[in-house]
Amino acid sequence: EVQLVESGGGLVQPGASLKLSCVASGFTFSDYWMSWVRQTPGKTMEWIGDIKYDGSYTNYAPSLKNRFTISRDNAKSTLYLQMSNVRSEDTATYYCTSLRHTTAYWGQGTLVTVSS
Amino acid sequence: DIVMTQAPLSVSVTPGESASISCRSSKSLLHSNGITYVYWYLQKPGKSPQLLIYRMSNLASGVPDRFSGSGSETDFTLKISRVEAEDVGIYYCGQLLENPPTFGGGTKLELK
Repeated sequence: EVQLVESGGGLVQPGASLKLSCVASGFTFSDYWMSWVRQTPGKTMEWIGDIKYDGSYTNYAPSLKNRFTISRDNAKSTLYLQMSNVRSEDTATYYCTSLRHTTAYWGQGTLVTVSS
Repeated sequence: DIVMTQAPLSVSVTPGESASISCRSSKSLLHSNGITYVYWYLQKPGKSPQLLIYRMSNLASGVPDRFSGSGSETDFTLKISRVEAEDVGIYYCGQLLENPPTFGGGTKLELK
């Protein structure tokens, strides 16, 4: 069974940093481009960025490029999202997903709430 | 960025009847390789999104054939035949032709 399990969300103060993780199982993680997508409380979906299967290349949404960093550890089948200088508008549920593949797996999401 | 516009915002359907959801892109999603890079997702209540249709008209694995996708270069339709209770949720279209990938605002399907 394919599973993507995100963790690391929670309540954080504006300006803080946070690192999300996504552990994959049930498929060959190292064969897949992986993405992060977030969904705001109003249900708007926003692509954050993605990373090539070997970790050698990343793409980011231009508005987030300077604050968010995506990485991966294929030996641990884990995807990461490093968030820095978070703002209230970053409040959302964050999903890891193999978005670009015809077998587009999605995790259950982890909620990040930015508030003082 | 490519803007994806969905209509209607919500639709109420009697079980057993059909439903259609529209999506329009701000530019052609037809690649020179002949593939149209529009996708459809369903987010059931309290769940994460799931892929229904990829590359405009291809049914994702495990998705009932009551679902179908069609369209042109900029106008797309998701059709659900014989709506069932399990089809309730928010439907999103999305494009993967260009970076950044973008999504429509969603269409909420409810049962009458």
